[in-house]
Amino acid sequence: GAVVSQHPSWVICKSGTSVKIECRSLDFQATTMFWYRQFPKQSLMLMATSNEGSKATYEQGVEKDKFLINHASLTLSTLTVTSAHPEDSSFYICSARLGSPNTEAFFGQGTRLTVV
Amino acid sequence: KQEVTQIPAALSVPEGENLVLNCSFTDSAIYNLQWFRQDPGKGLTSLLLIQSSQREQTSGRLNASLDKSSGRSTLYIAASQPGDSATYLCAVNPGGYNKLIFGAGTRLAVHP
Repeated sequence: GAVVSQHPSWVICKSGTSVKIECRSLDFQATTMFWYRQFPKQSLMLMATSNEGSKATYEQGVEKDKFLINHASLTLSTLTVTSAHPEDSSFYICSARLGSPNTEAFFGQGTRLTVV
Repeated sequence: KQEVTQIPAALSVPEGENLVLNCSFTDSAIYNLQWFRQDPGKGLTSLLLIQSSQREQTSGRLNASLDKSSGRSTLYIAASQPGDSATYLCAVNPGGYNKLIFGAGTRLAVHP
């Protein structure tokens, strides 16, 4: 299957700082990428849909000024957690489709963010 | 609003058993349904994708079926192995939307 690479796999940061997470589609171009958040022993919650060259679409309840998403190219999307707080600690996972909505979705390895 | 439910939440079986994981969804208007595997602390690995027009898909020891009208899908794992231990997630792609709605998952433990 297609490969989605996420970096870093884990990060620890201090409260008040910002953290950037990268998501790359290695062997295909992704016009749309997705960012999810997962709490311990819970399922994935969609945060936003990232469209190349345009603004991201955020799900209800997700603060767009806190979770900045940029999709500058067909192979790279970034999620920046701004002014991070301990409650932002979580597992963040990105995803990309090969094409239209009825194509298979592939996921990155996830990033464990710990804010201290 | 589309909701996805997975039963059972957890399952522990001896090696070699055939098992069935269940997934149900409330709105039958879907593009497709996808089954994933997640190992602890890892991302998701795509197992099978079933389009709305299909009834089943097979890959090795895995077989997934889809009954769109009743809002159900099953993942059948034949001759389970300890390496199959993981959380299995199903996700539906609602018609008209480019997103996945996930179930809470089934945590599977296969013991030798």
